[in-house]
Amino acid sequence: VLLQESGPGVVRPSGTLSLTCDVSGGSLTTADWWSWIRQPPGKGLEWIGEISNSGTTHYHPSFKSRVAISIDMSKNQFSLKVTSVTAADTAIYYCAKGGLADSWGQGTLVSVSS
Amino acid sequence: QSVLTQPPSASGTPGQRVTISCSGNTSNIGIHLVNWYQQLPGKAPKLLLYRDDQRPSGVPARFSGSKSGNTASLSISGLQSEDEGHYHCAAWDDSLNVSAVFGGGTLLTVL
Repeated sequence: VLLQESGPGVVRPSGTLSLTCDVSGGSLTTADWWSWIRQPPGKGLEWIGEISNSGTTHYHPSFKSRVAISIDMSKNQFSLKVTSVTAADTAIYYCAKGGLADSWGQGTLVSVSS
Repeated sequence: QSVLTQPPSASGTPGQRVTISCSGNTSNIGIHLVNWYQQLPGKAPKLLLYRDDQRPSGVPARFSGSKSGNTASLSISGLQSEDEGHYHCAAWDDSLNVSAVFGGGTLLTVL
């Protein structure tokens, strides 16, 4: 299974960050859970949240009020939205298979800047 | 500040054995299995070990994992120059409802 993130590389402060993860080489049913993880420049990894094939979500408390993860089984993709972004949300965003990330996409850099 | 604590750096010479620790507490490592990831320069992380000490297909046997109490460890024997990069640990954490946490990552330098 291959994962590929896509979305805008720049988001304005206070705007909404929207990313999609396309899954190829297998369907979303190959795993029970799919997740999003980010890595600010020069820093460690941060777990954002996960979604199941039935749409159940879990979010890290530090993101809970600003984050939404959705899944589209017909398109074999899942998505991430982060609202009210600030410069602190600048990071490489990774989508992954499994709640604790068995395999990862290549990542996409999102910069929050005016 | 990460919930799981790793040393920021580690180093060794080719052929040596290096061990990287990952310390947590009774809400995470003490009761949950640990994953380790290798992140080579400019690349996405890759699963190196899962369930404390299990190697995915293709990961050499010189990478091994262990756990004692609230601390997990990653050992690399026969160190090679291509092992240089960051190593991250991760585990589920019951104090955060259903949520996972990562260590801050350890930069391994092969001298």
